[in-house]
Amino acid sequence: QVQLVQSGAELKKPGASAKVSCKASGYTFLVYFMHWVRQAPGQGLEWVGMINPSAYTTSYAQKFQGRVTITRDASASTVSMELNGLGSEDTAVYFCARQSKGRFHFDFWGQGTLVTVSA
Amino acid sequence: SYVLTQPPSVSVAPGQTASVTCGGNDIGTKIVHWYQQKPGQAPVLVFSEESDRPSGILERFSGSNSGYTATLTINRVEAGDDADYYCQVWDDSSDQWWFGGGTKLTVL
Repeated sequence: QVQLVQSGAELKKPGASAKVSCKASGYTFLVYFMHWVRQAPGQGLEWVGMINPSAYTTSYAQKFQGRVTITRDASASTVSMELNGLGSEDTAVYFCARQSKGRFHFDFWGQGTLVTVSA
Repeated sequence: SYVLTQPPSVSVAPGQTASVTCGGNDIGTKIVHWYQQKPGQAPVLVFSEESDRPSGILERFSGSNSGYTATLTINRVEAGDDADYYCQVWDDSSDQWWFGGGTKLTVL
């Protein structure tokens, strides 16, 4: 069965970087695009960016351009998201989400990783 | 940017029908997807215009989309439907993905 297992919670200081990973299993890793979506405490969902693991191309939300990098390690079936220049407004749960093949919705999600930014 | 507007809250009695709306510029020309999220959990797809009903999702969930408003309809509402609901689209003009602000559905 499809599983997306994310790395554990992180506590970071303002200005630091956070890197969250998402290990995929149960399907052919390179075939499906992977996205990152975040959710600040008590707030809604916000798209961060995505990667095409096969072509190794990425697309980012304009809001995060220049501050976020999404990478993949095909040998480990893992996608990672690194966010730089953290501020308190980046405190959120970060989810990885698989895009349904040939479609424009997300069919499987990771469990979420809380990133807390605090001095 | 592409803005999707949802009402913050909707309340409904058990057994009744709930409607959650999602407004956007010419949203009728886009494919809209709906997710349910319960506290402390990841979102779950409950309806998409572009695919069969997700496995495990009951036929009580359906959707419509025309003009400037998309609607998620939940028939015969149950206590377990108490959750947040988000609409989502992909905007081809900007190649960006957008979510609505979310609607808290309260089952009275």
